[in-house]
Amino acid sequence: TQLLEQSPQFLSIQEGENLTVYCNSSSVFSSLQWYRQEPGEGPVLLVTVVTGGEVKKLKRLTFQFGDARKDSSLHITAAQPGDTGLYLCAYTTSGTYKYIFGTGTRLKVLA
Amino acid sequence: NAGVTQTPKFRVLKTGQSMTLLCAQDMNHEYMYWYRQDPGMGLRLIHYSVGEGTTAKGEVPDGYNVSRLKKQNFLLGLESAAPSQTSVYFCASSRGTEMAGELFFGEGSRLTVL
Repeated sequence: TQLLEQSPQFLSIQEGENLTVYCNSSSVFSSLQWYRQEPGEGPVLLVTVVTGGEVKKLKRLTFQFGDARKDSSLHITAAQPGDTGLYLCAYTTSGTYKYIFGTGTRLKVLA
Repeated sequence: NAGVTQTPKFRVLKTGQSMTLLCAQDMNHEYMYWYRQDPGMGLRLIHYSVGEGTTAKGEVPDGYNVSRLKKQNFLLGLESAAPSQTSVYFCASSRGTEMAGELFFGEGSRLTVL
């Protein structure tokens, strides 16, 4: 059973627009990661957040971990075609080192 | 730099056949993982290993077996393939020296079971 729900499932926007994708759960996590996957490749880590309320910025990408550590969001400013891909959130379970992934948001940025 | 290498990259099987997917990493990582990826399902953990000689079940282990006889290799076996096992399989590894360390993925192995 997937414990991480991501929304929206699909998103198609024009270059230059802003967007936010969400990762939600009813469970509390010790940490949460965001990965991006391009067609034909494996996912690549974007960021890890560990503290409730934490905000991290990576160029035009802003990641936030909810205060209760049950949810996270990824905001992209002025999206570019190079941002196209599948965005996955993942959490690790304390003491087991399992990485459980969400259902993913597939983003397409049109030039 | 090789990183995580998966072989084969593509395979077509008939129902009931067996096969093994090989994952090799050259980063001296302790932890290794096998995932399957299906449309709309994200990545689902099949089995994982936290060190040479150890394995553990993930979310969807049924129909698969694994072995980690050498630290750098993690093998995923299908004893009797079923059409439901048609998927893209990804191997990943991490250092294992910290919680929530970075996962490094291979490029995937596309398996079709007819």
